[in-house]
Amino acid sequence: KAGVTQTPRYLIKTRGQQVTLSCSPISGHRSVSWYQQTPGQGLQFLFEYFSETQRNKGNFPGRFSGRQFSNSRSEMNVSTLELGDSALYLCASSLDGGGEQYFGPGTRLTVT
Amino acid sequence: DQQVKQNSPSLSVQEGRISILNCDYTNSMFDYFLWYKKYPAEGPTFLISISSIKDKNEDGRFTVFLNKSAKHLSLHIVPSQPGDSAVYFCAASRRTIIQGAQKLVFGQGTRLTINP
Repeated sequence: KAGVTQTPRYLIKTRGQQVTLSCSPISGHRSVSWYQQTPGQGLQFLFEYFSETQRNKGNFPGRFSGRQFSNSRSEMNVSTLELGDSALYLCASSLDGGGEQYFGPGTRLTVT
Repeated sequence: DQQVKQNSPSLSVQEGRISILNCDYTNSMFDYFLWYKKYPAEGPTFLISISSIKDKNEDGRFTVFLNKSAKHLSLHIVPSQPGDSAVYFCAASRRTIIQGAQKLVFGQGTRLTINP
């Protein structure tokens, strides 16, 4: 069974731009969660989608948004990028949101 | 408000010895706990989990202990091997029957180095 895939793996953007990251979960998994990892803050929860609905949300500004498609693939969008948005963005999938989550390799976003 | 804390940013252990990684939490509503291992340039890999109805769970060289009264969990790796060198994260969540698990709350991570 293929693991969680994320595209692109690396991205460089400038301040003020917007970016879309993509995540394909493990086949059969319906829950997709997004996390931001930075050296100072560790892994911070962004949001979770289940059956195309946002079910849980972390404490991030509205510039961070996401969606999930009928095939469970998910995208995350960050608008009006700031230097502080530079981070590793990780997506994780699970069967139903409970139990263990399986992570993708992440997208390394650099904002200049 | 850091609900899950790993107070040791790094730990160095001799190969073959026991590695003990610690994690404390403040939210008494957490009822499910997990450990993840992370290598550079990769996403975290699930290692082992424990439900709050248990106080110990074993999987090969990995054992997780949960002390609910102290709000403390630990991961024991024995014997430690060079391939165990990585960053280890503990995570906690509160599971509900209707909605499934809430978000995972992660600790800051502990970098484990196994010396040959």
